[in-house]
Amino acid sequence: AQSVTQLGSHVSVSEGALVLLRCNYSSSVPPYLFWYVQYPNQGLQLLLKYTSAATLVKGINGFEAEFKKSETSFHLTKPSAHMSDAAEYFCAVDSGGYQKVTFGTGTKLQVIP
Amino acid sequence: DADVTQTPRNRITKTGKRIMLECSQTKGHDRMYWYRQDPGLGLRLIYYSFDVKDINKGEISDGYSVSRQAQAKFSLSLESAIPNQTALYFCATSEYSGTSGLKPSNEQFFGPGTRLTVL
Repeated sequence: AQSVTQLGSHVSVSEGALVLLRCNYSSSVPPYLFWYVQYPNQGLQLLLKYTSAATLVKGINGFEAEFKKSETSFHLTKPSAHMSDAAEYFCAVDSGGYQKVTFGTGTKLQVIP
Repeated sequence: DADVTQTPRNRITKTGKRIMLECSQTKGHDRMYWYRQDPGLGLRLIYYSFDVKDINKGEISDGYSVSRQAQAKFSLSLESAIPNQTALYFCATSEYSGTSGLKPSNEQFFGPGTRLTVL
């Protein structure tokens, strides 16, 4: 069984501040982990993914995430928020890489000018 | 042109009507998926297909059916729509390495979504 928990359905940060979106996973086998972003009225697009290579993963638009097995976490960070980062972010897990993915409930990021 | 397209983009229908949502892809991927998105619930898997002859139920398949007409086409049907099927529906695709030996990226590529309202 696999599952994902995203802490905080809404997160607000000031422009230029650190972005931290939390994700914890549960998986009985080594997982593949993903962060997707959804801009208003659009589908989801991949931000970054962990596939058992480097534990610190860099994605698009300055985002990165660190896989911590001991904490079963895969938190998403960005040093300095931009207004264009306002969107909904989804963490997802694929146990064993079988391409049957479970998504978290999402975190809406608001960036305040 | 978009790699994954969905039609219609918006649909309003009445309880009891049969509805079909269509998905087409030009990415050449074997695997296709249907999800529904509800506020606060994230995306939930309805059905998935790993090739034309392989169709599987997801976590919320009741009230839905699918058809994989070709590698590039995957349709979702609501046989008798009900109001709690009002949601945003997404189609997605992913690549499978098959016997090529190439490691799949596991990334899913999403269509733009269909907003369905059942009155």
